[in-house]
Amino acid sequence: QKEVEQDPGPLSVPEGAIVSLNCTYSNSAFQYFMWYRQYSRKGPELLMYTYSSGNKEDGRFTAQVDKSSKYISLFIRDSQPSDSATYLCAMSAQAGTALIFGKGTTLSVSS
Amino acid sequence: SQTIHQWPATLVQPVGSPLSLECTVEGTSNPNLYWYRQAAGRGLQLLFYSVGIGQISSEVPQNLSASRPQDRQFILSSKKLLLSDSGFYLCAWTPTRGTDTQYFGPGTRLTVL
Repeated sequence: QKEVEQDPGPLSVPEGAIVSLNCTYSNSAFQYFMWYRQYSRKGPELLMYTYSSGNKEDGRFTAQVDKSSKYISLFIRDSQPSDSATYLCAMSAQAGTALIFGKGTTLSVSS
Repeated sequence: SQTIHQWPATLVQPVGSPLSLECTVEGTSNPNLYWYRQAAGRGLQLLFYSVGIGQISSEVPQNLSASRPQDRQFILSSKKLLLSDSGFYLCAWTPTRGTDTQYFGPGTRLTVL
């Protein structure tokens, strides 16, 4: 079993839809969770950072961590064509150690 | 504010040729630095990380090497490139303490022919 699993998609939605992106993980020691957005041929940019369990909201984006289920989610409300990108989840057990990344989910939002 | 640079942006090299990719970070001191490779369908693979000048840890055996000659400079090298070295190379940094968040550079797209 891989440490982090992420459905690669592609996921296609119409503009204005609510998008749910998910990752599962196997290492119960993970406690730092991140979501990155990567546009084609660009470096990943940090979207959301969460420590331990719970929800975090930033504008149209909500990150959710369920440590009991080893499951994290990123919700995008009122999706826009500019949200079309690959979304990578990442996590680690200790601050300062290497991140473990999912393979990314490709999202396409059509106008 | 902090900025991370990578160059070149794009590189096409023949098999067997040497490689040198450079990464520099501005606006911070003593960062942790990382080299990743991203190949299609394979996600981000950590290659090397460094917690200080001259301190390099390798995550996977390969024909690549890394060096950190200065605090904010990280170099990825190879003496002889293989076809399998093609990919998108990303440099990232984190502050030494306090956060796990990694910030990525713009990347170098390497094609080995």
